[in-house]
Amino acid sequence: KAGVTQTPRYLIKTRGQQVTLSCSPISGHRSVSWYQQTPGQGLQFLFEYFSETQRNKGNFPGRFSGRQFSNSRSEMNVSTLELGDSALYLCASSVNRVDETQYFGPGTRLLVL
Amino acid sequence: GENVEQHPSTLSVQEGDSAVIKCTYSDSASNYFPWYKQELGKRPQLIIDIRSNVGEKKDQRIAVTLNKTAKHFSLHITETQPEDSAVYFCAASNSGNTPLVFGKGTRLSVIA
Repeated sequence: KAGVTQTPRYLIKTRGQQVTLSCSPISGHRSVSWYQQTPGQGLQFLFEYFSETQRNKGNFPGRFSGRQFSNSRSEMNVSTLELGDSALYLCASSVNRVDETQYFGPGTRLLVL
Repeated sequence: GENVEQHPSTLSVQEGDSAVIKCTYSDSASNYFPWYKQELGKRPQLIIDIRSNVGEKKDQRIAVTLNKTAKHFSLHITETQPEDSAVYFCAASNSGNTPLVFGKGTRLSVIA
């Protein structure tokens, strides 16, 4: 099976812009989670989607949003970008639940100038 | 909500020695505890996990122990090799009903 894929791999944006990141899970996986990874902060949970519904949400401002499509592909959007949004954004998929093995994508590295 | 503390943040060991990384969690309802390894420039990968109905689990040179009373769990790597050098993350969740909460990671360096 193909692994989790994320596009784009790299992005450079300026403050105030918005960005959309995409994640394609492993075929048959219905749970998709998003994480923000920054040096020293580890992996911080953004949200989890299952069957097109947001099942959990982390402590991030409303500028961060996401959605999941019927084919389980997921997108996250960040509006009004701030310098502090620069990070590696990782998505992970599992069959149904987060307490199953989560398979991570390669990440999208976002730089906000 | 759940809070996971991970120690140490960096760890250097000689090749062949053992390495131990410890995590504590705050939510007594948490019952799933995975460990992920992230090599430089690569994605995190699950290396071992444990559920609260067992106290220890082993997979070759890697083992995880869980103390539910004290709310801490540890990763043990024996006979370390240079390819064990990576950042290791612990995490905790409540039966998949709550998101995985990760520790901040431990950078392990195995010196040949």
